[in-house]
This record gives sequence, C-alpha cells and structure tokens, in this order.
Amino acid sequence: SQQGEEDPQALSIQEGENATMNCSYKTSINNLQWYRQNSGRGLVHLILIRSNEREKHSGRLRVTLDTSKKSSSLLITASRAADTASYFCAIIQGAQKLVFGQGTRLTINP
Amino acid sequence: IAGITQAPTSQILAAGRRMTLRCTQDMRHNAMYWYRQDLGLGLRLIHYSNTAGTTGKGEVPDGYSVSRANTDDFPLTLASAVPSQTSVYFCASSPTSLPFDIQYFGAGTRLSVL
Repeated sequence: SQQGEEDPQALSIQEGENATMNCSYKTSINNLQWYRQNSGRGLVHLILIRSNEREKHSGRLRVTLDTSKKSSSLLITASRAADTASYFCAIIQGAQKLVFGQGTRLTINP
Repeated sequence: IAGITQAPTSQILAAGRRMTLRCTQDMRHNAMYWYRQDLGLGLRLIHYSNTAGTTGKGEVPDGYSVSRANTDDFPLTLASAVPSQTSVYFCASSPTSLPFDIQYFGAGTRLSVL
C-alpha cells in the first residue's frame, strides 16, 4: 500500500502544549490532506496542502510538506481538550482516490 | 442543515442476511464514496461514484455492491453478510472527483455481523 503513514500512533500531552503529528508516504503526490475524527463521528477536513506549497496555516494548525522527504507534519499549537481526536493524513493514489493512513490518536489532558 | 445522512446508525445482523446501508447527501455533490473503518487499519475505500449513473471499485469491494441512480443517494448493499464485514461504515461526498476536492463525511453506521 502507498497510503500515508502517521507517526506516532498515539500521543498524549497536557493542555496548552503543542502537538506534532507526522505523515510519511511513498509515491509522488499532487496534494496531501489532513482530517480529524472525534470519537464516534465521521471525519472532518482540516487542511489541504498542495505539492508546490511548503507550509500552510489555519488558525492554530500549521501543516508543512517536504516532498523531497515525502513527509508532512501537522502542528497544533496551544492544545485544548477539544482537540482530543484522531488525525489522519490522506493522499491521492491509483484511480485518483484518497487513501487514508491509520491515524494518530491525540489525547489532551487537562 | 446540509450534509450527509447515514442510516441506520447501528445494526446487528445475522450472518447470511442481506443488508443495505443508506446514504443521502443534500449538497448536490457529484462524487460519493463508501469506506469501512477497522481498528488499526484506518479507512479503506469500498466503492465510489464519480457522478450519478457511474460506480467504481475501491480497495476492498468484495462482498459489497452499490448503485447511484441519482445525485443524492448512494446505498451500499451487503448481499450475504459475513462476520468479517463487522466494521464502521462511512459515506462521504465531494463536489467533484478531482484530486484536490475535499470530502465530507457522514456520522457512520456501526455494523456487527454475528
């Protein structure tokens, strides 16, 4: 499979700290997307970064993309309890369909 | 509220029974998708539809069928359920099937096949 692979699989931090999750992939991409999934819910799109972009911001989220290393990172600054969720990266593969990684399970402790 | 509606929210099903999971969107999106989510395996694409009247196979299509008679509805049918189909099923849609489009997800159907 050429899906994105997130690292770490699980992350637990204190509220207010920054959380960094990484995604590595094996094939060339046009863009990479990050999604969040709260427990028992569907996925929600967070941010899309194109292959010609190196960094993108959205509120407390910062995504970087290094196409030479085939990796992306998602940084959540000043974490809050509501950020507790699973985070997935997704890339296009094959018949132009999104392929999701296994996700990073983030827990924010009060 | 615009979005994707999945039904039922959960179901316990005897092996060998036929089951249809329903998915309806009111965003007039052209593309729709069915995924299954299993612990440790992330989301895997079962079937997709780029536009009404067309469907395609994803990564794990065996044992499932879909139809896309109109833009809004994209039902997923398990003809004869097996325990390995126990999973959480998510329907999603996107405005087009182009690679840069983001996907919008329903809340999921939790299916247990016994």
